[in-house]
Amino acid sequence: TQLLEQSPQFLSIQEGENLTVYCNSSSVFSSLQWYRQEPGEGPVLLVTVVTGGEVKKLKRLTFQFGDARKDSSLHITAAQPGDTGLYLCAGLHQAGTALIFGKGTTLSVSS
Amino acid sequence: DTEVTQTPKHLVMGMTNKKSLKCEQHMGHRAMYWYKQKAKKPPELMFVYSYEKLSINESVPSRFSPECPNSSLLNLHLHALQPEDSALYLCASSQGTEHSNQPQHFGDGTRLSIL
Repeated sequence: TQLLEQSPQFLSIQEGENLTVYCNSSSVFSSLQWYRQEPGEGPVLLVTVVTGGEVKKLKRLTFQFGDARKDSSLHITAAQPGDTGLYLCAGLHQAGTALIFGKGTTLSVSS
Repeated sequence: DTEVTQTPKHLVMGMTNKKSLKCEQHMGHRAMYWYKQKAKKPPELMFVYSYEKLSINESVPSRFSPECPNSSLLNLHLHALQPEDSALYLCASSQGTEHSNQPQHFGDGTRLSIL
């Protein structure tokens, strides 16, 4: 059973469109992190959300942590080709000390 | 540029070879990690070192042998690997494992191919 369900798994859109990626769990997480990974590179941390209901913005990216700390979403406004990559959500389970990753969302933005 | 440095970037080895992957960080982080990642899949945790002691081994085969010589260095010794071990091996570090919201910083990985 996957502790963190991430959807969609693949997303192919045109430049200028909006999109949302979801990360859901039936378990409570102490924190959730979002990473972006480009081919040939390691994952790069985008944001960490800690407080239930928290919203964080990073330019055109908006991250939200659910009130119950069981889910998170990433919304991208006016996507650009430079947003292309693998987006990973990862959480630290309350009982654990190591990150648990979702399966990832492969985003392709074409011009 | 990543603050976690991994060498080599690419490695091709035969199934009978012995090689080592190296990872270095100078951020004062006390937790270091090895992950294995297949194409378009998330990283899979292999090992966690906390304060230079192995704290998590995710049932990794003994042909992978980690070593943490000091708080800045992490090695992964490879011996008698199988073709299915071909993958991107990522190293990461964080301030520690005891706090819940400390992010992990990843290196760019070593692309390993087993012939």
